Amino acid sequence: NAGVTQTPKFQVLKTGQSMTLQCAQDMNHNSMYWYRQDPGMGLRLIYYSASEGTTDKGEVPNGYNVSRLNKREFSLRLESAAPSQTSVYFCASSEFDTMTGAGANVLTFGAGSRLTVL
Amino acid sequence: DQQVKQNSPSLSVQEGRISILNCDYTNSMFDYFLWYKKYPAEGPTFLISISSIKDKNEDGRFTVFLNKSAKHLSLHIVPSQPGDSAVYFCAARLWAGNTPLVFGKGTRLSVIA
Repeated sequence: NAGVTQTPKFQVLKTGQSMTLQCAQDMNHNSMYWYRQDPGMGLRLIYYSASEGTTDKGEVPNGYNVSRLNKREFSLRLESAAPSQTSVYFCASSEFDTMTGAGANVLTFGAGSRLTVL
Repeated sequence: DQQVKQNSPSLSVQEGRISILNCDYTNSMFDYFLWYKKYPAEGPTFLISISSIKDKNEDGRFTVFLNKSAKHLSLHIVPSQPGDSAVYFCAARLWAGNTPLVFGKGTRLSVIA
């Protein structure tokens, strides 16, 4: 019962370094998301992928890139890390009901990746 | 411009009493609302939801009320238990195809034994 798996759980970077956060889900969900959580700011959407082959910007996309590698995997890349990107990152997935378009759009979240940029 | 607002950053309640968490929204096109619960060092987990065509949904100790005219929803937890201590996020969905949820900033609930 893995659900959504994120790696790594913790990472410390120096300013300017790059890294990729990996996310995989085993629920056959169509949609995947990357959020960041900062104190007092709630959950803010970075990027999302409504379906395999598509990606869209969210509320705070600057400084990030994403890749929807296949239906299971959605990675988040920081090309040149900055201290402002110190945060906890959450990957999530959901199954959009294309028949009704309404109701269930429940996200299943991973456990989070805590990133510190010095 | 915050579309989903949780104006109380924190709330303390005694065990056994009712906890009421509030959420306001500005966009009348939201058609579905959800509450998520988050423990430290874990991802948020889905708790309860309500469609905009309803005004109440109940699941055990948890009830969500929706007042569309006031653009307000609330989560009631009765009775509150120490294990309910967590951050609660209100979220809303805009019906425009497969659009992502919009989250509030969260309310930290502390249930005191």
